[in-house]
Amino acid sequence: DTGVSQNPRHKITKRGQNVTFRCDPISEHNRLYWYRQTLGQGPEFLTYFQNEAQLEKSRLLSDRFSAERPKGSFSTLEIQRTEQGDSAMYLCASSLGPINTEAFFGQGTRLTVV
Amino acid sequence: DQQVKQNSPSLSVQEGRISILNCDYTNSMFDYFLWYKKYPAEGPTFLISISSIKDKNEDGRFTVFLNKSAKHLSLHIVPSQPGDSAVYFCAANSGGSNYKLTFGKGTLLTVNP
Repeated sequence: DTGVSQNPRHKITKRGQNVTFRCDPISEHNRLYWYRQTLGQGPEFLTYFQNEAQLEKSRLLSDRFSAERPKGSFSTLEIQRTEQGDSAMYLCASSLGPINTEAFFGQGTRLTVV
Repeated sequence: DQQVKQNSPSLSVQEGRISILNCDYTNSMFDYFLWYKKYPAEGPTFLISISSIKDKNEDGRFTVFLNKSAKHLSLHIVPSQPGDSAVYFCAANSGGSNYKLTFGKGTLLTVNP
């Protein structure tokens, strides 16, 4: 298994455009998480899926953000009407058990909104 | 409100010596603590963890110490190697929310040959 895969690795977009990121977790992992990391900060929790069900969403996830995990496999994170404050590294992670067991992170998608 | 604090943005040590990275937390509901290592352009990689029922956990060159009364934990790396140079994140979790890690801001460790 090649681990958690995220695409694209980098995305530059103009303010107001919509962007979508994809995460492919480790195949047998039923739990999937999205985190966001801004410059000089640690990763911050955005949302959590168990199989296809989105069970938790952070207050950081405004209504411009939507995440899906159809069929409990890959996940997408969409940001509508991007703002400069959305510029960050978006990290996906997956685990077989609770996140305080060994969760594996992807390499992230770096979003720059200009 | 920073619930997990890593007050040293950077640390530089000589190869072969001990590296000590510190982390403080404020939320007494946290009962599980983890350390992640992150190289540039890569995602965080799990390193070692400790449950609040323990005060020490060791894995090879890495040892984590937990002082619950002080709400403090530390990661010791002995001996330090140049390949250990990375950003180290302390993270905490409470069993009631088995999906969320709260991270500190990280400490950049540089191990000089």
